[in-house]
Amino acid sequence: GENVEQHPSTLSVQEGDSAVIKCTYSDSASNYFPWYKQELGKRPQLIIDIRSNVGEKKDQRIAVTLNKTAKHFSLHITETQPEDSAVYFCAASMNLMGTGTASKLTFGTGTRLQVTL
Amino acid sequence: DTGVSQDPRHKITKRGQNVTFRCDPISEHNRLYWYRQTLGQGPEFLTYFQNEAQLEKSRLLSDRFSAERPKGSFSTLEIQRTEQGDSAMYLCASSLRKHPGEDTGELFFGEGSRLTVL
Repeated sequence: GENVEQHPSTLSVQEGDSAVIKCTYSDSASNYFPWYKQELGKRPQLIIDIRSNVGEKKDQRIAVTLNKTAKHFSLHITETQPEDSAVYFCAASMNLMGTGTASKLTFGTGTRLQVTL
Repeated sequence: DTGVSQDPRHKITKRGQNVTFRCDPISEHNRLYWYRQTLGQGPEFLTYFQNEAQLEKSRLLSDRFSAERPKGSFSTLEIQRTEQGDSAMYLCASSLRKHPGEDTGELFFGEGSRLTVL
């Protein structure tokens, strides 16, 4: 089955700096890679996702890059703000939108991001 | 709130007791997932349903665990003869698979049911 590894486990940055979180996956059939943000005591929520037909996707201060050959993908947060402090999880699954076939999401172990003033 | 709801939010039980958690997904969502999350870890997949059919079960789901979704709406997760190692947050999530081409894959999570086994 799929195995997702995530690094680093903790990350501390100063407000305004950039943060990068990296994940690798094992199953070459995986083609859907979402990122979830979980604030303390709250539910995980999707912040951005990418499919294997693109190499990069951006949404305001958040971007995700994907390298299918190396089987790794990364989350980039620019101009970090205190409200970005949370645990971030990457995940992978096989999701064939044209056929409706989708496997379960396999999550990484999480990165605790702390944005300091 | 029309999101995913879970009940109870917290459950403390003694080892050996049975517990049951309930999940009400977003009403139009036909896929429902159960995940388990322990401190400092990512959610671990347990099982998922499409409508009332249970399509996949993790090897983590021992024979003490059973999940149902009898009418394709709410779901229950029962743990029999609880052990201290069952202590975790049990997360339910739902997603919409309206048409094959519209399956975005996004999971909407509930707040979770925290189980503590003494």
